[in-house]
Amino acid sequence: EAGVAQSPRYKIIEKRQSVAFWCNPISGHATLYWYQQILGQGPKLLIQFQNNGVVDDSQLPKDRFSAERLKGVDSTLKIQPAKLEDSAVYLCASSLLAVRGGYNEQFFGPGTRLTVL
Amino acid sequence: QKEVEQNSGPLSVPEGAIASLNCTYSDRVSQSFFWYRQYSGKSPELIMSIYSNGDKEDGRFTAQLNKASQYVSLLIRDSQPSDSATYLCAGYNAGNMLTFGGGTRLMVKP
Repeated sequence: EAGVAQSPRYKIIEKRQSVAFWCNPISGHATLYWYQQILGQGPKLLIQFQNNGVVDDSQLPKDRFSAERLKGVDSTLKIQPAKLEDSAVYLCASSLLAVRGGYNEQFFGPGTRLTVL
Repeated sequence: QKEVEQNSGPLSVPEGAIASLNCTYSDRVSQSFFWYRQYSGKSPELIMSIYSNGDKEDGRFTAQLNKASQYVSLLIRDSQPSDSATYLCAGYNAGNMLTFGGGTRLMVKP
C-alpha cells in the first residue's frame, strides 16, 4: 500500500514570496491533516480536512496560509507572503474517517522542508 | 502546562539495554496515545498506539498507559543503535486534535 505522498521535498524562497505544497493521502483515507514542525519541536496541527470539508483550522494563520482539498483526495497548502518564521518542515498526514474519541491512527508523508531567506 | 510533555534528553543507553521513554499529559488530553519514531531529517513513523490502561506489547516495544497518574511510557528492549532517534508522544485533546510532546532524543551506544 502506497504511503502519503508530498511534493516538493525541499523549497527555498525569499521572504514575501509565495509557496505551495501538495499532498496525496493514503488511498481510502478520508481525513487529511497538515502539520508544521519547527526544528526541535513536535508537529503542530495547522488544518484538518474530512473528505473535502474543513474540520479544524483554528491554528492556521489565515492571514497568510490557505489550504484546500477540492475533490476530497489530494490537498494543497499555500503560504503567501512567507515570513522568516515560516521556515519549518510541513508534514501531511492521513487517517481513516476520523471519529470523536481519538482512536485515529495518523500516518505521515515525508514532509516538505521550507527555508525562507 | 503543556498538554503533552516529554524530557528532551538525550537519553543515552548501551546497546542491548532497556530504554525507557516517558511522557505526561494534562487533563485536556483524551485517553488514546501514540508513540512515533522520528529519525533525523525524516518524518514521524507510528510505532505504537495505546487506548486503555495497562501494557501493550509489540515485538521489542511495550507501551504503558497509567490514566490515574496521567503518564505514558515506551520501553524498548534489547536496544539497538538503529533505535537511535527522537521519540514523539502524542494524544488527542478535547478538540479532537492530535497534540505532540517535544520529543525525547534516544541515543543507543554500541
